[in-house]
Amino acid sequence: DIQMTQSPASLSASLEEIVTITCQASQDIGNWLAWYQQKPGKSPQLLIYGATSLADGVPSRFSGSRSGTQYSLKISRLQVEDIGIYYCQQASSAPLTFGSGTKLEIK
Amino acid sequence: EVQLVESGGGLVQPGRSLKLSCAASGFTFSNYYMAWVRQAPKKGLEWVATISTSGSRTYYPDSVKGRFTISRDNAKSSLYLQMNSLKSEDTATYYCARQFSLHWFAYWGQGTLVTVSS
Repeated sequence: DIQMTQSPASLSASLEEIVTITCQASQDIGNWLAWYQQKPGKSPQLLIYGATSLADGVPSRFSGSRSGTQYSLKISRLQVEDIGIYYCQQASSAPLTFGSGTKLEIK
Repeated sequence: EVQLVESGGGLVQPGRSLKLSCAASGFTFSNYYMAWVRQAPKKGLEWVATISTSGSRTYYPDSVKGRFTISRDNAKSSLYLQMNSLKSEDTATYYCARQFSLHWFAYWGQGTLVTVSS
């Protein structure tokens, strides 16, 4: 199985700050990587797919990048509505696996 | 607007069975792979099952293989998850999701809670 190591586990940042969350895949998954946001008490929502493509309706302050088997989600200017838990997911091969999540709070 | 509405959750004893349903609307159901993803209380996300557009192919992780069965009725735009031999570790909110092939989950329902306890 492909393991996804996500960091940090939690993050506290100020409004308008740049935030970066990373995921390390245990083997090559190419661009088969997605990011999700789960707001408190809500279902997860797709943010980024194909490592770098923005899902419909997602604000442009969110972006995804890849360097080898390391993937990053960047929020360019943190807003209050961005609080929640963020998950990465490898979409390369079954069993599909998720990172352990990053809880993002406002400082 | 894509809508996915799960139902069928509840309290069930260990070893018993439960069947979840998901009613889909707002898109051509038969054109998409569909999936179930679960989340144990205060825990992360775990993929549970995927079914192809026609239902001819199904995929499961080892944790549920042989106990859970995913199925669909394209005429009714409905997805199902039959869960047998339930264990306490199956306690979770179960989400129905529209999937891009066997890849990412583009749309999610609101979830239905399954509690396995005596």
